Amino acid sequence: DAKTTQPPSMDCAEGRAANLPCNHSTISGNEYVYWYRQIHSQGPQYIIHGLKNNETNEMASLIITEDRKSSTLILPHATLRDTAVYYCIVRVGIGYAGGTSYGKLTFGQGTILTVHP
Amino acid sequence: EAGVAQSPRYKIIEKRQSVAFWCNPISGHATLYWYQQILGQGPKLLIQFQNNGVVDDSQLPKDRFSAERLKGVDSTLKIQPAKLEDSAVYLCASSSSSGRDNEQFFGPGTRLTVL
Repeated sequence: DAKTTQPPSMDCAEGRAANLPCNHSTISGNEYVYWYRQIHSQGPQYIIHGLKNNETNEMASLIITEDRKSSTLILPHATLRDTAVYYCIVRVGIGYAGGTSYGKLTFGQGTILTVHP
Repeated sequence: EAGVAQSPRYKIIEKRQSVAFWCNPISGHATLYWYQQILGQGPKLLIQFQNNGVVDDSQLPKDRFSAERLKGVDSTLKIQPAKLEDSAVYLCASSSSSGRDNEQFFGPGTRLTVL
């Protein structure tokens, strides 16, 4: 799976948009971009994913550049409850070969987002 | 819909002792994962089951770690004997092959401290 690069930490004011960047310059054509977040003392939670088109759901928007080498997760109106570690992951869909799941999630260190009043 | 259940939530043991963790995935989910998360790091996949068969255990330290998923539902992860470096949160996750491109649902984790 392609490696991702994220800033170690970011701050955001409550009510403002939080824009979290992710670089994935070695992404392959069949790899998706996934975002998960982990609130303190909880397991990771799925946010959104995309292949090449921009995506939006009830939690966030995902903007993927045309060359697919980077993406941005947007939380449109951040709240204090959005304080968490955000992980950007790239992977293929699902499948197995040679005893290894090449669809597995490989987490980096993520971005610690702190939303302050 | 009930989430992924794990027990115990916390465990403290001394090195060289044995420990076991239990996971009950979301009903109907065929795929089950065990992750290890060391403080300050992202989760690392230890083992992945598809029903009751192992499809990926490439990062499982097999000399001390073992896992099983009898009947393709619940799963247990065991460490025997434990080392200091095994102190971590052990996360269980499950997914349905028909889910949103294999979205994984995580449990709350078991925090293990090895003294």
